[in-house]
Amino acid sequence: DGGITQSPKYLFRKEGQNVTLSCEQNLNHDAMYWYRQDPGQGLRLIYYSQIVNDFQKGDIAEGYSVSREKKESFPLTVTSAQKNPTAFYLCASKKDRGGYGYTFGSGTRLTVV
Amino acid sequence: DAKTTQPPSMDCAEGRAANLPCNHSTISGNEYVYWYRQIHSQGPQYIIHGLKNNETNEMASLIITEDRKSSTLILPHATLRDTAVYYCIVRALLTDSWGKLQFGAGTQVVVTP
Repeated sequence: DGGITQSPKYLFRKEGQNVTLSCEQNLNHDAMYWYRQDPGQGLRLIYYSQIVNDFQKGDIAEGYSVSREKKESFPLTVTSAQKNPTAFYLCASKKDRGGYGYTFGSGTRLTVV
Repeated sequence: DAKTTQPPSMDCAEGRAANLPCNHSTISGNEYVYWYRQIHSQGPQYIIHGLKNNETNEMASLIITEDRKSSTLILPHATLRDTAVYYCIVRALLTDSWGKLQFGAGTQVVVTP
């Protein structure tokens, strides 16, 4: 079945360490996105990519980095510069510019210890 | 994108219809109303969208007022599995900003036996 796979589901990181969250899709979608969700809050956009080798900052890009070397993959690195990285991270993809049809992964819960 | 206002929470008895309101008084002519839901610790799931006509699919019905300033999502026979946070989002179908799916805090719906 087509879908988005995020791994790992739970991730623990020590302060000062970089960590990379994986996101892979086999839907042949052009656009991919990373959102952050804090408890009781809505989703906030971190980065998005419309095509391979291109990506744009979202509303809260500071302390994060991404790459888009393949259409299927859009990994997110949470760097040590991110002051409060503990959150639920969601990856999504979409076929084109239309507003519906977002497919979300099941998320990665990152905890800084 | 127009902003939306939703009640923070509502309860619904299993088997009854759940009516979820959303105000979007600043909606513009080319903006659609989208509904997503997020079950705890999962990624959001698309439910339905509409422009000005009422819409129905296998999951829900969407009723949009004639002036388009508000809408109601109807879950016709709520089940325990419908317990989730429901997001109402207003967005143009085609936009230069591929990633701007603005999630607010949504409505926490709890379906009780």
